[in-house]
Amino acid sequence: IAGITQAPTSQILAAGRRMTLRCTQDMRHNAMYWYRQDLGLGLRLIHYSNTAGTTGKGEVPDGYSVSRANTDDFPLTLASAVPSQTSVYFCASTTPGGYGYTFGSGTRLTVV
Amino acid sequence: QKEVEQDPGPLSVPEGAIVSLNCTYSNSAFQYFMWYRQYSRKGPELLMYTYSSGNKEDGRFTAQVDKSSKYISLFIRDSQPSDSATYLCAIRDGGATNKLIFGTGTLLAVQP
Repeated sequence: IAGITQAPTSQILAAGRRMTLRCTQDMRHNAMYWYRQDLGLGLRLIHYSNTAGTTGKGEVPDGYSVSRANTDDFPLTLASAVPSQTSVYFCASTTPGGYGYTFGSGTRLTVV
Repeated sequence: QKEVEQDPGPLSVPEGAIVSLNCTYSNSAFQYFMWYRQYSRKGPELLMYTYSSGNKEDGRFTAQVDKSSKYISLFIRDSQPSDSATYLCAIRDGGATNKLIFGTGTLLAVQP
């Protein structure tokens, strides 16, 4: 089934640890995005990539990094997790000029 | 002022009711407007999109955009318990990121 796969589904992480959230799509979409979703704040853009080999910063990029080595994969790395990074993280993708995104099912991350 | 404002709810209605969900936005240059539905512990899924002003109907759902007042609405007719979810309005930023700017979401519960 075409779509976006995110892993892990959920994770409890000790503060200060490094973690990579994985995102893979099989729709050959050019653009990919990472959002975090927090109660009362909605979905906020962390980083994006318009095409393989390019990345950009979104609204809340601090503490996160991304890479886009190929079309299908767009991992998000927390170099040294902090409790304020406790959130639900969604990966999304779209075609150029696409009207809407396809979202993954999310990764629920708790930093303790 | 946030770029997109959405009534947070929650909203509880009886089955069969007409539901009205609303958002306002600040930038008159926005052209593409979307509504997403998000079930609990799932990723958002695209429900409807509209371009510029006007109405668009899809089954029991109608999306309405009034650019003069910067107001977007989603109407659900004959609401069903299966419509119980969080509804997110989203606007596409036509800049380099082509990102979506989301409202904070309205939680809807349709009581059987």
